[in-house]
Amino acid sequence: DSGVTQTPKHLITATGQRVTLRCSPRSGDLSVYWYQQSLDQGLQFLIQYYNGEERAKGNILERFSAQQFPDLHSELNLSSLELGDSALYFCASSVKQGPYNEQFFGPGTRLTVL
Amino acid sequence: AQKITQTQPGMFVQEKEAVTLDCTYDTSDPSYGLFWYKQPSSGEMIFLIYQGSYDQQNATEGRYSLNFQKARKSANLVISASQLGDSAMYFCAMILLVGAGSYQLTFGKGTKLSVIP
Repeated sequence: DSGVTQTPKHLITATGQRVTLRCSPRSGDLSVYWYQQSLDQGLQFLIQYYNGEERAKGNILERFSAQQFPDLHSELNLSSLELGDSALYFCASSVKQGPYNEQFFGPGTRLTVL
Repeated sequence: AQKITQTQPGMFVQEKEAVTLDCTYDTSDPSYGLFWYKQPSSGEMIFLIYQGSYDQQNATEGRYSLNFQKARKSANLVISASQLGDSAMYFCAMILLVGAGSYQLTFGKGTKLSVIP
């Protein structure tokens, strides 16, 4: 158990819908990272927040957005869902601002878009 | 664009033997970092090791070591004394700073390691 929690574990929805994935980092960790893992695209870094502010952006679509709240939990919002958005979405956390250190991953949220 | 290549889709190793998982990268930037992650069949991602491009010594973490050959642009993961629990997917990743404090993080397609008893 990494100490990072993600909810829900599984999510099934329809095309065109909007969903919110939630992540609670390890106690004391200020950085939160979001990743997408799909069969087509492999593993992709989406976005990082540090202490409430966006730190870095990866291959995140405009239909996707994220934020980190004052209590440091983070949410990833996915809208106008398409079949290709079906994937495993990971959240990770770390203590430091920079990504050059160990990240602790949550168990992931498996999103299925029908 | 930066690129990470893992040429071995699958590997087998006998228990207690050492195994090397290959990773090559492509960048002209002198400043970068390299990661290895493990993903067991249960699905969680586990950080294994990190190597910075300016680090003088190869990174080691327990049974894991990173064979960093800068001139050849390779960052192979060496697992010594393989255990059955090492059976998993292994991903290599590279990080590049891209200005204004931001960065790009790119993953390889992974190598599936199977440890044989």
